[in-house]
Amino acid sequence: GQQLNQSPQSMFIQEGEDVSMNCTSSSIFNTWLWYKQDPGEGPVLLIALYKAGELTSNGRLTAQFGITRKDSFLNISASIPSDVGIYFCAGALIMNSGYSTLTFGKGTMLLVSP
Amino acid sequence: DARVTQTPRHKVTEMGQEVTMRCQPILGHNTVFWYRQTMMQGLELLAYFRNRAPLDDSGMPKDRFSAEMPDATLATLKIQPSEPRDSAVYFCASGFESSYEQYFGPGTRLTVT
Repeated sequence: GQQLNQSPQSMFIQEGEDVSMNCTSSSIFNTWLWYKQDPGEGPVLLIALYKAGELTSNGRLTAQFGITRKDSFLNISASIPSDVGIYFCAGALIMNSGYSTLTFGKGTMLLVSP
Repeated sequence: DARVTQTPRHKVTEMGQEVTMRCQPILGHNTVFWYRQTMMQGLELLAYFRNRAPLDDSGMPKDRFSAEMPDATLATLKIQPSEPRDSAVYFCASGFESSYEQYFGPGTRLTVT
């Protein structure tokens, strides 16, 4: 099946720094989604991208759907302590049977030092 | 505030016991997904329902796992008999068929001793 390579695996930064993480795949996806998971909770949807080349922002978060449809990037500007968590990318692909499922990356753990 | 709810949040059981996890999808959503999350494997899709009909359960060990949707407001995942390797966090997610977006519940943390 499809595999997503998400990097970096973890990041430890100072409050106020900008953060960038990305996902790459050998397969083309129709949609890219970015989720954040806090400890003991389920993943929360941050941004959804539907078109190749699309750049979408949600507050201090900006994500892009790569032109090749095989990658996506998430940037966080001016990080704050509450940005701590695990960030997951997910790619959606329509299967031959007509329905779609999500393939998730392994996650990027972000730690922010005050 | 529409959210996916899951019960129980935590479950500790002995090997061989039956475990039932429940999920209430967001009202109006017609797709429901069950995932398992472990440190080693990350998020794995176990089962997928559309309009209460199972579409894909290829990720689920068939001999011990079963997933059902008795009605539009309830999805269940059962493990019988449970084994220590089933220890993980199990998430339910729901969405609209027309959208790829999935909304996750808080998860059930299962520990099988």
